[in-house]
Amino acid sequence: RKEVEQDPGPFNVPEGATVAFNCTYSNSASQSFFWYRQDCRKEPKLLMSVYSSGNEDGRFTAQLNRASQYISLLIRDSKLSDSATYLCAVNTNKDTGRRALTFGSGTRLQVQP
Amino acid sequence: DVKVTQSSRYLVKRTGEKVFLECVQDMDHENMFWYRQDPGLGLRLIYFSYDVKMKEKGDIPEGYSVSREKKERFSLILESASTNQTSMYLCASSRPGRSYGYTFGSGTRLTVV
Repeated sequence: RKEVEQDPGPFNVPEGATVAFNCTYSNSASQSFFWYRQDCRKEPKLLMSVYSSGNEDGRFTAQLNRASQYISLLIRDSKLSDSATYLCAVNTNKDTGRRALTFGSGTRLQVQP
Repeated sequence: DVKVTQSSRYLVKRTGEKVFLECVQDMDHENMFWYRQDPGLGLRLIYFSYDVKMKEKGDIPEGYSVSREKKERFSLILESASTNQTSMYLCASSRPGRSYGYTFGSGTRLTVV
């Protein structure tokens, strides 16, 4: 089982729709969670951190469910410019003290006019 | 604007060559990372460094080595390039601590022929 798993999609949604992605992680000791956005042939860019109580940034809402070991990203009022691949990242912080993020393979979103 | 700069955007090398990928950051970050990204496999951690002259193996260090002689520079070395090392290589940096996300460079697309 992969440490961090995402549905690859694509999610095809019309403009204005609300869309949500989940990302599951296997290590219950994981402590830090992030969402990144990656445009085609570009580098990933940090979209937002995910806090235990959930957090919002404009049209984007991130949530953490520790009991079920997943994080989610909700995008409201989708824009054409939201079309991208969304990567989740988790700090698995193994016993060796590794301090590096493990990334999911990404979920592709295509917003259609 | 903070930056992570990778020396080459595209690189073509022959099998057996020694290849150097350079990464420089101007944010005075302690942590630096090398990932490779392949379709369907996502980002996989090769090596990372949390201080000058310090390095730790990631998930796929075989065939690679790294050098961090100065805080701002982290080099990835392919000792003897092979065709299965054809990939997109992404360098990233971050502040120490689990709460900080990464800033990525724009990537080097390496083709080994």
